[in-house]
Amino acid sequence: DAGVIQSPRHEVTEMGQEVTLRCKPISGHDYLFWYRQTMMRGLELLIYFNNNVPIDDSGMPEDRFSAKMPNASFSTLKIQPSEPRDSAVYFCASSPAKGATPSSYEQYFGPGTRLTVT
Amino acid sequence: SQELEQSPQSLIVQEGKNLTINCTSSKTLYGLYWYKQKYGEGLIFLMMLQKGGEEKSHEKITAKLDEKKQQSSLHITASQPSHAGIYLCGAARLYGKLTFGQGTILTVHP
Repeated sequence: DAGVIQSPRHEVTEMGQEVTLRCKPISGHDYLFWYRQTMMRGLELLIYFNNNVPIDDSGMPEDRFSAKMPNASFSTLKIQPSEPRDSAVYFCASSPAKGATPSSYEQYFGPGTRLTVT
Repeated sequence: SQELEQSPQSLIVQEGKNLTINCTSSKTLYGLYWYKQKYGEGLIFLMMLQKGGEEKSHEKITAKLDEKKQQSSLHITASQPSHAGIYLCGAARLYGKLTFGQGTILTVHP
């Protein structure tokens, strides 16, 4: 398996532009997570899905952020309009977690997308 | 509030030295995951602990979970430059979710 795939790896855009980040999880994993990492705030969970359904989006900073998972093999995180404070590394992770079994909660992370908004 | 506290926040050691990173939870840990991250890359899974008193080792890295299941430690013996990076602990929460600590930045000088 190729692991979790994210694209693009780097994105530089101007303030006000729309940005779309993409993720392909590991086949067979029912959970998909979007994180944001900055030096100031560390690793923050933005939203996660179970079987393509959003379970918890309380970490999404504001309405400018939206995430979709149209099928089991693809998810997007969109920022519209983008702002300089959105500059960060965005990670996607997937997990084979099964219900209330903590030992199965290992998450497999993609390489991340480094977003710079100027 | 931060559910997981890692200490220290950063650590600089000379190659060959031993070191310990701690992860403390305000709640009982039902599954504690340790990850390592190199700059600019994704997180790599190291070990998972579940039972009170459990200890696991991989190469020169040993992780322990205390009997009360509220604190875990990661110990590196005879550190090498390849051990440098960010170490994060993650606590299993409901239904697949992990809550992460703020990370410990490890620098190993040759």
